[in-house]
Amino acid sequence: GDSVTQMEGPVTLSEEAFLTINCTYTATGYPSLFWYVQYPGEGLQLLLKATKADDKGSNKGFEATYRKETTSFHLEKGSVQVSDSAVYFCALEGGRRALTFGSGTRLQVQP
Amino acid sequence: GAVVSQHPSRVICKSGTSVKIECRSLDFQATTMFWYRQFPKKSLMLMATSNEGSKATYEQGVEKDKFLINHASLTLSTLTVTSAHPEDSSFYICSARGEAGTGPNTGELFFGEGSRLTVL
Repeated sequence: GDSVTQMEGPVTLSEEAFLTINCTYTATGYPSLFWYVQYPGEGLQLLLKATKADDKGSNKGFEATYRKETTSFHLEKGSVQVSDSAVYFCALEGGRRALTFGSGTRLQVQP
Repeated sequence: GAVVSQHPSRVICKSGTSVKIECRSLDFQATTMFWYRQFPKKSLMLMATSNEGSKATYEQGVEKDKFLINHASLTLSTLTVTSAHPEDSSFYICSARGEAGTGPNTGELFFGEGSRLTVL
C-alpha cells in the first residue's frame, strides 16, 4: 500500500538557517504530494502541493519538488523564522482521495 | 477562520462510556469527510471515510461497531467511540473536502483542530 516516510525530529535551527525536511514515498500510480503544517493548538493547514512529476510547490518561502525518479518530495526553506516553528507533515493522495501521512517532523526555530 | 470545526477539542471520560465527536464544515458542503487517529509521535492513521447519506467505509483493522460514524448532512459528520477503554485514548482528527461549486478552494482538503480523548 501507499506509505510516506519523513525524517524524524525534532529539528532545531537558529533563525535564518536553511531548512530541509526529507520525505520519500511509495505508491502505485501517480499520486499527488503535499506538505501540511500544524501550528501549536491549530489544525493541519495545507502548505504546498505538487500534482505531477517535476512540479514545484511553493508557499511562504517553502518549496518542494516532486521527484518521481527518487520518489521524494523534500521540503526546503532558505531562511527560517521563529514563526515557522510547527510540525510538518508530508502526505500523498492516491486513488481513494484520502491522504496518507508521514509521521510528522517538529521544527523548532530559536531566535 | 477555520473552515472545519471539531467539537469537543478535549474530552475525558470514564471507561465503558461512549463519547461523540462532531465535525462540521463551515461555509461549504462536504459530501466526503475523513476521520483520522493520531498516536503520540506517530502519523495520522486513516480510520474511515464518511460519505453523506451512506455507510462509512472503514479501514482494515478499525472496528466499525466501536467507532460509529454518521454523516447525516452535508455539513456534519460524527464519530462515536462506544464503550471507550483507555487504549482508545488518542487524538482524533477529521477532514472534509470541498466539492465542486460548493465552497472555497474546491477540492482542497480542510482539517479540523482535532479532539483529544482521554479515557480513564
